[in-house]
Amino acid sequence: GAGVSQSPSNKVTEKGKDVELRCDPISGHTALYWYRQSLGQGLEFLIYFQGNSAPDKSGLPSDRFSAERTGGSVSTLTIQRTQQEDSAVYLCASSIKGATEAFFGQGTRLTVV
Amino acid sequence: SQQGEEDPQALSIQEGENATMNCSYKTSINNLQWYRQNSGRGLVHLILIRSNEREKHSGRLRVTLDTSKKSSSLLITASRAADTASYFCATALQGSARQLTFGSGTQLTVLP
Repeated sequence: GAGVSQSPSNKVTEKGKDVELRCDPISGHTALYWYRQSLGQGLEFLIYFQGNSAPDKSGLPSDRFSAERTGGSVSTLTIQRTQQEDSAVYLCASSIKGATEAFFGQGTRLTVV
Repeated sequence: SQQGEEDPQALSIQEGENATMNCSYKTSINNLQWYRQNSGRGLVHLILIRSNEREKHSGRLRVTLDTSKKSSSLLITASRAADTASYFCATALQGSARQLTFGSGTQLTVLP
Protein backbone atom coordinates (compact mmCIF):
# COMPACT_ATOMS: atom_id res chain seq x y z
CA GLY A 1 0.00 0.00 0.00
CA ALA A 2 0.90 3.63 -0.21
CA GLY A 3 1.21 4.26 3.50
CA VAL A 4 1.69 2.58 6.85
CA SER A 5 -1.29 0.40 7.66
CA GLN A 6 -2.29 -0.64 11.17
CA SER A 7 -4.95 -3.09 12.22
CA PRO A 8 -7.30 -3.20 13.90
CA SER A 9 -8.24 0.49 14.12
CA ASN A 10 -9.96 -0.11 17.42
CA LYS A 11 -9.76 -2.97 19.87
CA VAL A 12 -11.74 -3.49 23.04
CA THR A 13 -10.55 -6.34 25.20
CA GLU A 14 -11.19 -7.68 28.65
CA LYS A 15 -8.59 -7.32 31.32
CA GLY A 16 -6.30 -10.33 31.37
CA LYS A 17 -6.70 -11.21 27.70
CA ASP A 18 -3.87 -11.10 25.17
CA VAL A 19 -3.97 -8.80 22.14
CA GLU A 20 -2.01 -8.56 18.91
CA LEU A 21 -1.61 -5.33 17.00
CA ARG A 22 -0.38 -5.38 13.43
CA CYS A 23 1.66 -2.91 11.41
CA ASP A 24 2.35 -3.03 7.67
CA PRO A 25 5.13 -0.54 6.96
CA ILE A 26 5.86 1.16 3.67
CA SER A 27 7.59 -1.24 1.30
CA GLY A 28 11.34 -0.79 1.35
CA HIS A 29 11.47 1.00 4.71
CA THR A 30 14.08 -0.65 6.88
CA ALA A 31 13.23 1.17 10.10
CA LEU A 32 10.03 0.51 12.04
CA TYR A 33 8.93 2.10 15.31
CA TRP A 34 6.18 1.41 17.82
CA TYR A 35 4.95 4.18 20.11
CA ARG A 36 2.21 4.42 22.68
CA GLN A 37 0.16 7.53 23.31
CA SER A 38 -2.17 7.97 26.23
CA LEU A 39 -4.98 10.51 25.99
CA GLY A 40 -3.60 14.02 25.68
CA GLN A 41 -0.03 12.89 26.18
CA GLY A 42 3.10 12.69 24.09
CA LEU A 43 4.48 9.64 22.33
CA GLU A 44 6.13 7.01 24.47
CA PHE A 45 8.75 4.98 22.61
CA LEU A 46 8.24 1.23 22.82
CA ILE A 47 10.49 -0.58 20.34
CA TYR A 48 12.56 0.07 17.22
CA PHE A 49 13.54 -2.30 14.42
CA GLN A 50 16.30 -1.44 11.95
CA GLY A 51 17.02 -3.89 9.16
CA ASN A 52 18.49 -7.13 10.41
CA SER A 53 19.92 -5.59 13.58
CA ALA A 54 18.73 -6.63 16.99
CA PRO A 55 15.70 -4.49 17.91
CA ASP A 56 15.94 -1.77 20.51
CA LYS A 57 13.45 -2.94 23.12
CA SER A 58 14.43 -0.43 25.75
CA GLY A 59 11.01 1.26 25.77
CA LEU A 60 8.87 -1.79 26.44
CA PRO A 61 7.19 -1.10 29.81
CA SER A 62 7.06 -4.70 31.04
CA ASP A 63 7.68 -8.28 29.99
CA ARG A 64 4.01 -8.49 29.03
CA PHE A 65 4.91 -6.52 25.92
CA SER A 66 6.75 -8.05 22.97
CA ALA A 67 7.11 -7.36 19.28
CA GLU A 68 8.30 -9.15 16.20
CA ARG A 69 9.10 -8.08 12.71
CA THR A 70 8.95 -10.92 10.23
CA GLY A 71 10.94 -10.86 7.02
CA GLY A 72 11.89 -7.24 7.59
CA SER A 73 8.35 -6.14 6.84
CA VAL A 74 5.19 -6.70 8.87
CA SER A 75 5.42 -6.19 12.62
CA THR A 76 3.21 -7.47 15.41
CA LEU A 77 3.05 -5.96 18.88
CA THR A 78 1.71 -8.40 21.45
CA ILE A 79 0.43 -7.46 24.88
CA GLN A 80 -0.18 -10.36 27.21
CA ARG A 81 -2.54 -10.33 30.19
CA THR A 82 -3.73 -6.82 29.38
CA GLN A 83 -4.28 -4.32 32.17
CA GLN A 84 -6.45 -1.20 32.20
CA GLU A 85 -3.36 1.01 32.14
CA ASP A 86 -2.49 -0.49 28.75
CA SER A 87 -5.40 1.45 27.26
CA ALA A 88 -3.92 3.90 24.75
CA VAL A 89 -3.41 4.51 21.06
CA TYR A 90 -0.57 2.39 19.69
CA LEU A 91 1.18 4.05 16.79
CA CYS A 92 3.47 2.43 14.27
CA ALA A 93 5.81 4.33 11.98
CA SER A 94 8.36 3.42 9.35
CA SER A 95 11.18 5.26 7.65
CA ILE A 96 13.70 4.57 4.93
CA LYS A 97 16.33 4.31 7.61
CA GLY A 98 16.63 5.36 11.20
CA ALA A 99 16.39 9.02 12.20
CA THR A 100 14.90 10.15 8.89
CA GLU A 101 11.35 11.27 8.15
CA ALA A 102 8.94 8.82 9.74
CA PHE A 103 5.59 7.91 8.22
CA PHE A 104 2.90 7.02 10.72
CA GLY A 105 -0.06 4.73 10.55
CA GLN A 106 -3.42 5.84 11.95
CA GLY A 107 -2.89 3.84 15.09
CA THR A 108 -4.81 1.22 17.01
CA ARG A 109 -6.94 2.49 19.86
CA LEU A 110 -6.82 -0.17 22.56
CA THR A 111 -9.36 -0.13 25.35
CA VAL A 112 -9.02 -2.60 28.19
CA VAL A 113 -12.22 -3.03 30.19
CA SER B 1 12.32 12.51 31.30
CA GLN B 2 11.51 13.50 27.72
CA GLN B 3 14.39 14.32 25.39
CA GLY B 4 12.27 16.98 23.76
CA GLU B 5 9.96 19.29 25.63
CA GLU B 6 7.60 21.62 23.81
CA ASP B 7 6.39 24.87 25.17
CA PRO B 8 3.81 26.17 25.54
CA GLN B 9 1.65 23.12 26.24
CA ALA B 10 -1.31 24.92 24.73
CA LEU B 11 -1.64 27.97 22.50
CA SER B 12 -4.78 29.72 21.30
CA ILE B 13 -4.63 32.43 18.63
CA GLN B 14 -6.85 34.18 16.12
CA GLU B 15 -6.82 33.27 12.46
CA GLY B 16 -4.21 35.30 10.59
CA GLU B 17 -1.88 35.60 13.57
CA ASN B 18 1.48 33.87 13.79
CA ALA B 19 2.00 30.88 16.09
CA THR B 20 5.36 30.10 17.67
CA MET B 21 6.14 26.86 19.44
CA ASN B 22 9.40 25.96 21.12
CA CYS B 23 11.22 22.72 21.74
CA SER B 24 14.12 22.11 24.09
CA TYR B 25 16.22 18.97 24.25
CA LYS B 26 18.99 17.61 26.39
CA THR B 27 21.62 15.74 24.38
CA SER B 28 23.44 16.23 21.09
CA ILE B 29 21.31 15.51 18.08
CA ASN B 30 21.71 14.43 14.48
CA ASN B 31 18.54 16.22 13.43
CA LEU B 32 15.31 17.61 14.81
CA GLN B 33 11.92 17.10 13.21
CA TRP B 34 8.49 18.64 13.67
CA TYR B 35 5.28 16.66 13.29
CA ARG B 36 1.61 17.51 13.37
CA GLN B 37 -1.19 15.35 14.78
CA ASN B 38 -4.89 15.76 14.24
CA SER B 39 -7.46 14.12 16.48
CA GLY B 40 -5.04 11.88 18.36
CA ARG B 41 -4.22 9.64 15.43
CA GLY B 42 -1.29 9.35 13.03
CA LEU B 43 1.36 12.03 12.93
CA VAL B 44 2.38 13.84 9.76
CA HIS B 45 5.95 14.94 9.18
CA LEU B 46 6.29 18.69 8.61
CA ILE B 47 9.96 19.54 8.42
CA LEU B 48 13.43 18.23 9.30
CA ILE B 49 16.37 20.41 10.26
CA ARG B 50 19.87 18.98 10.53
CA SER B 51 22.25 19.83 13.34
CA ASN B 52 24.44 21.91 11.00
CA GLU B 53 21.50 24.02 9.83
CA ARG B 54 20.19 27.08 11.63
CA GLU B 55 16.98 27.87 9.79
CA LYS B 56 14.67 26.19 7.33
CA HIS B 57 11.49 27.21 5.55
CA SER B 58 8.64 25.26 4.07
CA GLY B 59 5.61 27.21 2.89
CA ARG B 60 4.19 29.02 5.93
CA LEU B 61 6.50 27.11 8.27
CA ARG B 62 9.80 28.42 9.57
CA VAL B 63 12.00 26.33 11.82
CA THR B 64 15.08 27.50 13.66
CA LEU B 65 17.64 25.45 15.51
CA ASP B 66 20.10 26.68 18.12
CA THR B 67 22.38 23.82 19.06
CA SER B 68 24.22 25.91 21.65
CA LYS B 69 20.96 26.38 23.55
CA LYS B 70 19.62 22.96 22.56
CA SER B 71 16.40 24.50 21.36
CA SER B 72 14.26 24.82 18.26
CA SER B 73 11.26 26.89 17.33
CA LEU B 74 8.45 26.34 14.85
CA LEU B 75 6.74 29.41 13.46
CA ILE B 76 3.49 29.12 11.54
CA THR B 77 2.72 32.37 9.77
CA ALA B 78 -0.74 33.63 8.82
CA SER B 79 -2.42 30.81 10.72
CA ARG B 80 -5.65 29.23 9.57
CA ALA B 81 -8.36 27.36 11.44
CA ALA B 82 -7.15 24.21 9.67
CA ASP B 83 -3.80 24.55 11.46
CA THR B 84 -5.53 23.55 14.69
CA ALA B 85 -3.69 20.42 15.81
CA SER B 86 -1.04 19.14 18.18
CA TYR B 87 2.54 19.80 17.18
CA PHE B 88 5.44 17.63 18.32
CA CYS B 89 9.17 17.93 18.00
CA ALA B 90 11.23 14.77 17.63
CA THR B 91 14.95 14.42 18.02
CA ALA B 92 17.29 11.91 16.41
CA LEU B 93 20.21 11.47 18.74
CA GLN B 94 23.73 12.02 17.46
CA GLY B 95 25.76 8.90 16.98
CA SER B 96 22.71 6.70 16.98
CA ALA B 97 20.82 5.28 14.05
CA ARG B 98 17.92 4.52 16.25
CA GLN B 99 14.62 5.81 17.32
CA LEU B 100 13.13 9.25 17.24
CA THR B 101 12.29 10.65 20.64
CA PHE B 102 9.17 12.78 20.83
CA GLY B 103 8.23 15.58 23.18
CA SER B 104 4.85 15.99 24.83
CA GLY B 105 3.51 18.40 22.22
CA THR B 106 1.86 21.78 21.91
CA GLN B 107 -1.88 21.92 21.33
CA LEU B 108 -2.55 24.79 18.93
CA THR B 109 -6.04 26.18 18.52
CA VAL B 110 -6.65 28.72 15.76
CA LEU B 111 -9.93 30.54 16.22
CA PRO B 112 -11.80 31.63 13.09
